[in-house]
Amino acid sequence: EPEVTQTPSHQVTQMGQEVILRCVPISNHLYFYWYRQILGQKVEFLVSFYNNEISEKSEIFDDQFSVERPDGSNFTLKIRSTKLEDSAMYFCASRGQGRNTGELFFGEGSRLTVL
Amino acid sequence: AQKITQTQPGMFVQEKEAVTLDCTYDTSDPSYGLFWYKQPSSGEMIFLIYQGSYDQQNATEGRYSLNFQKARKSANLVISASQLGDSAMYFCAMRGSPPGGKSTFGDGTTLTVKP
Repeated sequence: EPEVTQTPSHQVTQMGQEVILRCVPISNHLYFYWYRQILGQKVEFLVSFYNNEISEKSEIFDDQFSVERPDGSNFTLKIRSTKLEDSAMYFCASRGQGRNTGELFFGEGSRLTVL
Repeated sequence: AQKITQTQPGMFVQEKEAVTLDCTYDTSDPSYGLFWYKQPSSGEMIFLIYQGSYDQQNATEGRYSLNFQKARKSANLVISASQLGDSAMYFCAMRGSPPGGKSTFGDGTTLTVKP
């Protein structure tokens, strides 16, 4: 069964460093998302991406964040200068088209720890 | 704007009994989708069940069923014959009209199945 894959599974970084989280969505999906979940809390929307551009972003997704789909398969989230409060699990998700494929397919997440 | 409310932070159920997890929603979109996801302690997000706003019948998937009451804006998840492996966090989520639109998640309900 096709799946969304994320790397790394866990990254530890120093405050102020840049981090890139990578995702390979399901190949025939058209809509891509990043969500984050601070430990034990709700799943928060960061950004959605369609047709090679951001379609929607949340208040959390400020200038320190950016997304890219550099080569037609990878979908990356870059955090330019990490803060302690960026420590969270980051989930990539993708969605197909059509009513019966409306669910999000999530990757297993990338846990980011900022020290 | 979309809002999902899950009023039960934690629920307990005896193994083999049925349990209902509550979810109410608010949206101005005429067309929307409602989803339930399971997050076990390992952290991955697992899609369980989907209900479209125009679906006439309540969705069912194996032991999961969605009690959809459109007029009351509720989409409760019913798990029949609970198993120990059902112990997890459960999130209700909603997606609005645009097919690529973001999904908004509730705060989640932690279900514990007792032997």
